[in-house]
Amino acid sequence: DQQVKQNSPSLSVQEGRISILNCDYTNSMFDYFLWYKKYPAEGPTFLISISSIKDKNEDGRFTVFLNKSAKHLSLHIVPSQPGDSAVYFCAASGLDNAGNMLTFGGGTRLMVKP
Amino acid sequence: NAGVMQNPRHLVRRRGQEARLRCSPMKGHSHVYWYRQLPEEGLKFMVYLQKENIIDESGMPKERFSAEFPKEGPSILRIQQVVRGDSAAYFCASTPADRNTGELFFGEGSRLTVL
Repeated sequence: DQQVKQNSPSLSVQEGRISILNCDYTNSMFDYFLWYKKYPAEGPTFLISISSIKDKNEDGRFTVFLNKSAKHLSLHIVPSQPGDSAVYFCAASGLDNAGNMLTFGGGTRLMVKP
Repeated sequence: NAGVMQNPRHLVRRRGQEARLRCSPMKGHSHVYWYRQLPEEGLKFMVYLQKENIIDESGMPKERFSAEFPKEGPSILRIQQVVRGDSAAYFCASTPADRNTGELFFGEGSRLTVL
């Protein structure tokens, strides 16, 4: 039972254009959502997050949108740069989780072409 | 300011041997989480520990796997009698307190290969 799903395993975008990565969840108890970025042979690094009381959070080139009624969130990267090429994981935590336990999606591999 | 330290980075074991993976959390962090990433998959939660306490082990396989976080020293993830299906990257993460920002700080992972 996958509570967090990233339906696109990969995405290819031209440098300078917008990258949109999508994530769907099923657990209504999730109240905090995060995006992590992962390079090969490294650990995931935190990118941006959003609380369920908001519908948008922006940090430089990265913006996360949350649509609670649709149980959907997306990460927008604009403009995309070759260094953004990595695997992006969507994650969620909720009041029914112990501590900061996160449930991760399967990841989307982003390739930004120069 | 050292981050989460995991060792070994790479570990090769033959079927039936034991694997021990160590994790030292960030300075000031007292909560440790272990995640496993199988090839071409996402990260799956295994266990959440505080010092000398297992808080949530709902993601741990029922047999062969155990974890501890002693009062002194690193957290240890132990896999007994390894099988090929245990080959994966094992990531440790830490946080300073219960339910702060929700962010986990990850180490670089330990890659276990079972021959």
